[in-house]
Amino acid sequence: NAGVMQNPRHLVRRRGQEARLRCSPMKGHSHVYWYRQLPEEGLKFMVYLQKENIIDESGMPKERFSAEFPKEGPSILRIQQVVRGDSAAYFCASSPGVSTEAFFGQGTRLTVV
Amino acid sequence: GNSVTQMEGPVTLSEEAFLTINCTYTATGYPSLFWYVQYPGEGLQLLLKATKADDKGSNKGFEATYRKETTSFHLEKGSVQVSDSAVYFCALSYNAGNMLTFGGGTRLMVKP
Repeated sequence: NAGVMQNPRHLVRRRGQEARLRCSPMKGHSHVYWYRQLPEEGLKFMVYLQKENIIDESGMPKERFSAEFPKEGPSILRIQQVVRGDSAAYFCASSPGVSTEAFFGQGTRLTVV
Repeated sequence: GNSVTQMEGPVTLSEEAFLTINCTYTATGYPSLFWYVQYPGEGLQLLLKATKADDKGSNKGFEATYRKETTSFHLEKGSVQVSDSAVYFCALSYNAGNMLTFGGGTRLMVKP
């Protein structure tokens, strides 16, 4: 049973480009959470999704960031027109239910140059 | 709002030394409390958890006790190893561990 899979592991984008980060949850998990870890800081919650629905996006920046978790395929975190301040590690976690432990992926390290 | 405060690192210890990493929290109600560990280049792994006051979580020689009166969840280990070198995160949640509020992390370095 594979764990939470994130790809790519490392992503380099120039300022103004778009970044797409993918997260495939563990088998049987229908809940996905995205967190951002800025350099030398802890993780900050961004968004919580269930299949085809955004449950809580209270941690998402108001502009340029969006997330989806379609019926088929991985969850996608999309960052449009990236800026240097978006450079961070983005972690995805998944869980089978709302009151169960979430398991983390290895993260995608985004570098904006 | 909810928040978690951890002691700043890095914490540098010699092998077999005693470890304490302090964690305090601010929250309404009765959250569950967690310690996660992040090894270099890896994602977070759940180390231990406690879901109610006076519960003690333990795993791999690490322990932490949920202290409601002091709103604390300090991490301890009696004898650290070089392989324990990592970043440790304290966190809280109201729903068993999926929407988490994290502390800033404490880097532990253990020297042989």
